[in-house]
Amino acid sequence: ETGVTQSPTHLIKTRGQQVTLRCSSQSGHNTVSWYQQALGQGPQFIFQYYREEENGRGNFPPRFSGLQFPNYSSELNVNALELDDSALYLCASSLRLRTSVGGETQYFGPGTRLLVL
Amino acid sequence: DAKTTQPNSMESNEEEPVHLPCNHSTISGTDYIHWYRQLPSQGPEYVIHGLTSNVNNRMASLAIAEDRKSSTLILHRATLRDAAVYYCILRGISSGSARQLTFGSGTQLTVLP
Repeated sequence: ETGVTQSPTHLIKTRGQQVTLRCSSQSGHNTVSWYQQALGQGPQFIFQYYREEENGRGNFPPRFSGLQFPNYSSELNVNALELDDSALYLCASSLRLRTSVGGETQYFGPGTRLLVL
Repeated sequence: DAKTTQPNSMESNEEEPVHLPCNHSTISGTDYIHWYRQLPSQGPEYVIHGLTSNVNNRMASLAIAEDRKSSTLILHRATLRDAAVYYCILRGISSGSARQLTFGSGTQLTVLP
């Protein structure tokens, strides 16, 4: 059973640029969530994808967007990068069951460290 | 949204038990209590979760108060590898986080050799 993988591990961009981060879900999982973790803080929920559709979004502007593919892998896209977007971006996969609202476990990848200059 | 309160930091000696407290006085009857930890330079890792009864797994035990307004994560024998930030998280429809995890500041656990 392979775990959650993310690429790239590190990335440096300049303000105004666009970035795409990638995530491969754990085998058998159908849901992907993305989180942003600024230095010294807990992760903040960006959005979640289930069956290739966005299914819940945190307090992030529309320039944060995503995709989920038929194989349940996912991308996070950030347009018009700002200095404050510098953070660790975490992807988590889970198996959504109709009966497990609140009880499902999320499995995290190692994250992508993004630095915006 | 129901919230949790944890101490900012705790220390423990290696090979001794550690009790990490969490207060969640506004928890609803359908909210699950989840614990995750984050080791340095890694993504968060699931530790344990429960609803009403105490739970045990290979990593830890979760003790839930009878009124469910508080819980305690118990590491039976702390090792240096257990040094991490521990997050207590409520999940459920009423807490507004049925699907996502809402992280607070967590408790930084330091394990002393």
